[in-house]
Amino acid sequence: EPEVTQTPSHQVTQMGQEVILRCVPISNHLYFYWYRQILGQKVEFLVSFYNNEISEKSEIFDDQFSVERPDGSNFTLKIRSTKLEDSAMYFCASTSEGRLYGYTFGSGTRLTVV
Amino acid sequence: AQKVTQAQTEISVVEKEDVTLDCVYETRDTTYYLFWYKQPPSGELVFLIRRNSFDEQNEISGRYSWNFQKSTSSFNFTITASQVVDSAVYFCALSDQTGANNLFFGTGTRLTVIP
Repeated sequence: EPEVTQTPSHQVTQMGQEVILRCVPISNHLYFYWYRQILGQKVEFLVSFYNNEISEKSEIFDDQFSVERPDGSNFTLKIRSTKLEDSAMYFCASTSEGRLYGYTFGSGTRLTVV
Repeated sequence: AQKVTQAQTEISVVEKEDVTLDCVYETRDTTYYLFWYKQPPSGELVFLIRRNSFDEQNEISGRYSWNFQKSTSSFNFTITASQVVDSAVYFCALSDQTGANNLFFGTGTRLTVIP
């Protein structure tokens, strides 16, 4: 069964450093998402991406965040200058044209900012 | 605005007991989708079910069943004859047109099945 792949599974970074979280969505999917889950809390929407541009973003997704699909297969989330409160599990997801069908999440990247 | 409420923060049951996880949602849209996800200790999100707002038929999948009632805006999830492997956090989620079809999650219910 097709999977959404996220790397790394766990990343530790120092406050103020830039991090890039990587995702390989399912190949024929067209919509891509990042969600965040602070430890012990609910999963929150960050951003959606379609046709090589951001289609929606939440209040969490401020200027420190950016997304990119650099090569047609990878979908990345960059945090420019990490803060302690950015420590969370970050989930990538993708969907097909039907959007709500085949909404598949990756296994997540746990980001720890120290 | 969209809202998903899972009032039960934590539930503990003894193995083989039945357990129902509650989910109440709010949306102004007439077309929307409801989801349940399981998050085991390993952390990934495992899709369990998707239901659209026009289909109120209850669904059963093995030991899992779902009860969707639009009249009470509820989408409850029952596990029959619970097993230790069912121990996880379970999230209910809503997607509607106003929210650009993004997923809005509840705060989750942590289920512990005691052997």
